[in-house]
Amino acid sequence: GDSVTQMEGPVTLSEEAFLTINCTYTATGYPSLFWYVQYPGEGLQLLLKATKADDKGSNKGFEATYRKETTSFHLEKGSVQVSDSAVYFCALIYKILGGSEKLVFGKGTKLTVNP
Amino acid sequence: GAVVSQHPSWVICKSGTSVKIECRSLDFQATTMFWYRQFPKQSLMLMATSNEGSKATYEQGVEKDKFLINHASLTLSTLTVTSAHPEDSSFYICSARGVFWSYNEQFFGPGTRLTVL
Repeated sequence: GDSVTQMEGPVTLSEEAFLTINCTYTATGYPSLFWYVQYPGEGLQLLLKATKADDKGSNKGFEATYRKETTSFHLEKGSVQVSDSAVYFCALIYKILGGSEKLVFGKGTKLTVNP
Repeated sequence: GAVVSQHPSWVICKSGTSVKIECRSLDFQATTMFWYRQFPKQSLMLMATSNEGSKATYEQGVEKDKFLINHASLTLSTLTVTSAHPEDSSFYICSARGVFWSYNEQFFGPGTRLTVL
């Protein structure tokens, strides 16, 4: 079945550093791709999404581009802040037989940003 | 955004007992709720999908008699882990979706940490 692989953490950066969290996927067809973020003590929140090749999702300074040729959806931010400390999940939606859909998540990458 | 709560946030129980976890949508009507399970350093895995007023649909490999799901109202779904054993220790997360929302518009609860001794 479809799957998502993201870089293992934890990732520790200093404030204002550049962030990249790699995510690649395996899918039949063309899934929609997502990044979710989970702040401490809170539920997962949708950070950004892209629904077709070459789309760029962006939100709160984070960006990710849907690259069909490399089956990737890497998350980037030019200058991280302490408040970005969280766990980030890459995910995709694919359609299964019968037309229903399923969210598939990567394992999550914990980011810690130090002042 | 919409808010989903879970209760309790953590629970410790003895082997053989049953544990109930509640998932509530606080400011919207959730026609569909999802239950996920997450082991340490693993992905969230969908356990089951429940639609209000009907029986839950379980994913392959999930024991429906062990993980009882009830979605009796548009704002509440419960997951009961029956006769819990140490291997059921995990992080359980629910999410909820309103009517006419697209599939990715799920709002997630903060999760419940279950430890079975």
